[in-house]
Amino acid sequence: LAKTTQPISMDSYEGQEVNITCSHNNIATNDYITWYQQFPSQGPRFIIQGYKTKVTNEVASLFIPADRKSSTLSLPRVSLSDTAVYYCLVPEGGFKTIFGAGTRLFVKA
Amino acid sequence: EPEVTQTPSHQVTQMGQEVILRCVPISNHLYFYWYRQILGQKVEFLVSFYNNEISEKSEIFDDQFSVERPDGSNFTLKIRSTKLEDSAMYFCASLPQLYEQYFGPGTRLTVT
Repeated sequence: LAKTTQPISMDSYEGQEVNITCSHNNIATNDYITWYQQFPSQGPRFIIQGYKTKVTNEVASLFIPADRKSSTLSLPRVSLSDTAVYYCLVPEGGFKTIFGAGTRLFVKA
Repeated sequence: EPEVTQTPSHQVTQMGQEVILRCVPISNHLYFYWYRQILGQKVEFLVSFYNNEISEKSEIFDDQFSVERPDGSNFTLKIRSTKLEDSAMYFCASLPQLYEQYFGPGTRLTVT
């Protein structure tokens, strides 16, 4: 089982900011948090990775509170093309990676 | 921007046949992974490869599966005797460092 918990689905409208929160209560001290996006019939795409506080790139921002037991992926001004499944991952130990079910984001016009 | 490539994009095979799925990782990346995703289900970890050997494998990765990096660039997944339940998308991922994964477009394997 994945070490993370996310909402199963979210709906939004074009132009809105979307925040997807992930719980990872048992995150280890040295673990990074990584988010991926997946469109149907495509491989997951790396979005952003962070350890603490805030990380921002051209696609998204990642907010991590001081206790690091959760993280929030923020997508500014979503468009229809942001409709996808979003995965939050933390390391399982060693080299293994476990994907959960992710959050299915549906952006409406 | 460098990308991971995979061939073929779609492979149809008969049950019991051997298939080889190919991946060209991003140059200078150090870690290589294979995943599969059965239609409508989660992405499942199969195996990781580092320093020319398997570093970790899942319960799915049994004796029917093998991986190789034969020439320092290609990274292959072989399924020796395919079963109907092997039908899935197979994704290769290439990593410059652990946990930052760059996925290929996948190979759709259909076993009939």
